[in-house]
Amino acid sequence: DGGITQSPKYLFRKEGQNVTLSCEQNLNHDAMYWYRQDPGQGLRLIYYSQIVNDFQKGDIAEGYSVSREKKESFPLTVTSAQKNPTAFYLCASSIDRGNEKLFFGSGTQLSVL
Amino acid sequence: GESVGLHLPTLSVQEGDNSIINCAYSNSASDYFIWYKQESGKGPQFIIDIRSNMDKRQGQRVTVLLNKTVKHLSLQIAATQPGDSAVYFCAENIPQSNYQLIWGAGTKLIIKP
Repeated sequence: DGGITQSPKYLFRKEGQNVTLSCEQNLNHDAMYWYRQDPGQGLRLIYYSQIVNDFQKGDIAEGYSVSREKKESFPLTVTSAQKNPTAFYLCASSIDRGNEKLFFGSGTQLSVL
Repeated sequence: GESVGLHLPTLSVQEGDNSIINCAYSNSASDYFIWYKQESGKGPQFIIDIRSNMDKRQGQRVTVLLNKTVKHLSLQIAATQPGDSAVYFCAENIPQSNYQLIWGAGTKLIIKP
């Protein structure tokens, strides 16, 4: 089955720790995205990538980092600089950056210990 | 930045009735609108989309209406079923935003038996 796989489903972060969220897609999509979702709010864009080895900051990139070494993979690292990391993180992909229809993974819930 | 707003955060509907979820947008340059359904603990799923050169688009049991005069978007779900319980998000694309979707906060749809 084609789709987007996020792991882990749940993740806990200790003070001062960096954690990495995984996102893999087998849809052969060029563009990938990371969103943050807080309770009762819409999605906010953290980073996006239009193509391998290229990525751009979204609205709330501070405290996060990404890489795009392979077309299929777009991992997100939540660094210790992100002081309020507790949220639901969603990865998405689209055929290309000009195609607005996004396909989402099932999300990772990150909580702080 | 621009944001998409929703009229009601929660909507309760009797099973079998039609549901209407409303969305207001503020940017007259928006040229594309999309609705997603998000079930608890899952990623958003695409429902239907519409471009600004259309007023109405129908899918299976769903209809999206676009009123550009008052900058209003609605999602109609016919014969609402228990499986329709979810949070529904509208999002808009503003051409100048480099294809970044702007998301509303969501409306929670509750189905009463």
